[in-house]
Amino acid sequence: SQQGEEDPQALSIQEGENATMNCSYKTSINNLQWYRQNSGRGLVHLILIRSNEREKHSGRLRVTLDTSKKSSSLLITASRAADTASYFCATSGANNLFFGTGTRLTVIP
Amino acid sequence: DAGVTQSPTHLIKTRGQHVTLRCSPISGHKSVSWYQQVLGQGPQFIFQYYEKEERGRGNFPDRFSARQFPNYSSELNVNALLLGDSALYLCASSPVAASSYNEQFFGPGTRLTVL
Repeated sequence: SQQGEEDPQALSIQEGENATMNCSYKTSINNLQWYRQNSGRGLVHLILIRSNEREKHSGRLRVTLDTSKKSSSLLITASRAADTASYFCATSGANNLFFGTGTRLTVIP
Repeated sequence: DAGVTQSPTHLIKTRGQHVTLRCSPISGHKSVSWYQQVLGQGPQFIFQYYEKEERGRGNFPDRFSARQFPNYSSELNVNALLLGDSALYLCASSPVAASSYNEQFFGPGTRLTVL
């Protein structure tokens, strides 16, 4: 399957702490994207990292990509209660995205 | 500018019925994709349309069909509903055909419950 798999399935941290989520995939990719979903609503795009990039930053987000290990990580620094959501990695098919099952992040105020 | 819009927000149907879900992409976006998200899972790809032509189809039965209109809005139709069709149906738009190579913009989804 081309689907990514996130780890851990659930993560609970205190506000201000950092949160790290990992994603593994099985086939070669053009890019890998991370999305956030609040309470079963629509997905919001966070960041896209291309296969020739190793690290990318966007505000409090840091994404790494290791194509040799077929893995990516998403780091959220100085977490806030508003970061509570499900986070999904997605790899690209010919015309679509393949999503994993997500990591449920809970940030406790 | 308005984002991707979907209607209705919620829908309750019974087994065997038919349902039509609607999506309006962001202005200027010509690609629309549909995803099904069952509770506790990630979204699963159903269809992609670009310039009114089907460009991709996921592993879903023929009960699922879709179309895209000249204004780039789209409909997803599901016939002979089953209990397992209960899910959040997400629509995503993108300005280009190779939507998987770029950010996709998702609507809020339609929550379908089949009783």
